[in-house]
Amino acid sequence: KNEVEQSPQNLTAQEGEFITINCSYSVGISALHWLQQHPGGGIVSLFMLSSGKKKHGRLIATINIQEKHSSLHITASHPRDSAVYICAFAHTGNQFYFGTGTSLTVIP
Amino acid sequence: EAQVTQNPRYLITVTGKKLTVTCSQNMNHEYMSWYRQDPGLGLRQIYYSMNVEVTDKGDVPEGYKVSRKEKRNFPLILESPSPNQTSLYFCASSIRREETQYFGPGTRLLVL
Repeated sequence: KNEVEQSPQNLTAQEGEFITINCSYSVGISALHWLQQHPGGGIVSLFMLSSGKKKHGRLIATINIQEKHSSLHITASHPRDSAVYICAFAHTGNQFYFGTGTSLTVIP
Repeated sequence: EAQVTQNPRYLITVTGKKLTVTCSQNMNHEYMSWYRQDPGLGLRQIYYSMNVEVTDKGDVPEGYKVSRKEKRNFPLILESPSPNQTSLYFCASSIRREETQYFGPGTRLLVL
């Protein structure tokens, strides 16, 4: 089963580029999360959103509940943004499901 | 400092030797969860707990047990570990299921 698809799987960008990572899901959800996993392995939550758009610094997350799609944008990318970005959601059955992640490398 | 702690961080063991990975949070969160992360498969939920004394299976519960006797602690128990349980394990907590999750630092387990 594959309730959530992320694209692209890998992404290399030049410093300063605008980056978009996409997440599509196939089931009804109440909220979607974007997570960041650094090369050392630690995971931090970037956004939790159930509608519209949220912005934090250079990061913007959007969600379209009707189209079952969310995007994570990074403006003016920087090498320190290099990480794996993972979307996740809580299904109505109380379980969490995760995308397989997008590995981002930002080159100086 | 608000945090989720896990112990041990690294563990090498042998098949069949019971082990426990502890997880503790100091944020008074109701929801706690265990995940495993494997290359190519991403993060998968093992067990979760909506609140004290209430636990339920996630996507991959086989071979694992949990208990939630107190709000702050949610240990993961492997009664008879097998090599296919070699993985990176994360504990996480949140105020409620729908809210932002806070992750522990991870436990890297190798079962020989």
